[in-house]
Amino acid sequence: GESVGLHLPTLSVQEGDNSIINCAYSNSASDYFIWYKQESGKGPQFIIDIRSNMDKRQGQRVTVLLNKTVKHLSLQIAATQPGDSAVYFCAENLPIGGKLIFGQGTELSVKP
Amino acid sequence: SAVISQKPSRDICQRGTSLTIQCQVDSQVTMMFWYRQQPGQSLTLIATANQGSEATYESGFVIDKFPISRPNLTFSTLTVSNMSPEDSSIYLCSVEGQGNTEAFFGQGTRLTVV
Repeated sequence: GESVGLHLPTLSVQEGDNSIINCAYSNSASDYFIWYKQESGKGPQFIIDIRSNMDKRQGQRVTVLLNKTVKHLSLQIAATQPGDSAVYFCAENLPIGGKLIFGQGTELSVKP
Repeated sequence: SAVISQKPSRDICQRGTSLTIQCQVDSQVTMMFWYRQQPGQSLTLIATANQGSEATYESGFVIDKFPISRPNLTFSTLTVSNMSPEDSSIYLCSVEGQGNTEAFFGQGTRLTVV
């Protein structure tokens, strides 16, 4: 079936460095993409989203890039902090049914 | 944004029994979703629950195992029936935002079957 996959299952960075988490998606019809952060014992928390008619979107310390040509999504976190340590999931929205398909997740570990 | 409350937050159950998980939303929503997150893994959609109609199940999930109720626009339940240790997972309720925006999640129900 269709799936969303991540290139890096684990990522360890030094505090203050920038982090980049990557994601590949397979459904070219997907029109909306979301990055979630999940801390231990909690449900996924929305970070940032992007629609398919955009290439880049910036939030506070986070940027999402979308490359539709190669069906690639990335999340950039600037000046990574210990509080950023969590598992990050990308998700694609299938235009029919409104359901989200999640990638496998990347565990980000920030070393002080 | 929507505030979603799930109950129970965690439970330990005997195999062969059933557990019903409740999901309450603070606003009326058309679509509610139930996900399963197995240990160390990503989220997998179980079914979509719309008020006034039967839930729509994803491949690999069946109504007999995961019956769902959706009695109104703010509430849904998921039952995990005849549980086995393989059902040990986090079960998450989610709702779609307005205008096809981000989905909001409850804190999840951590189920352990012994």
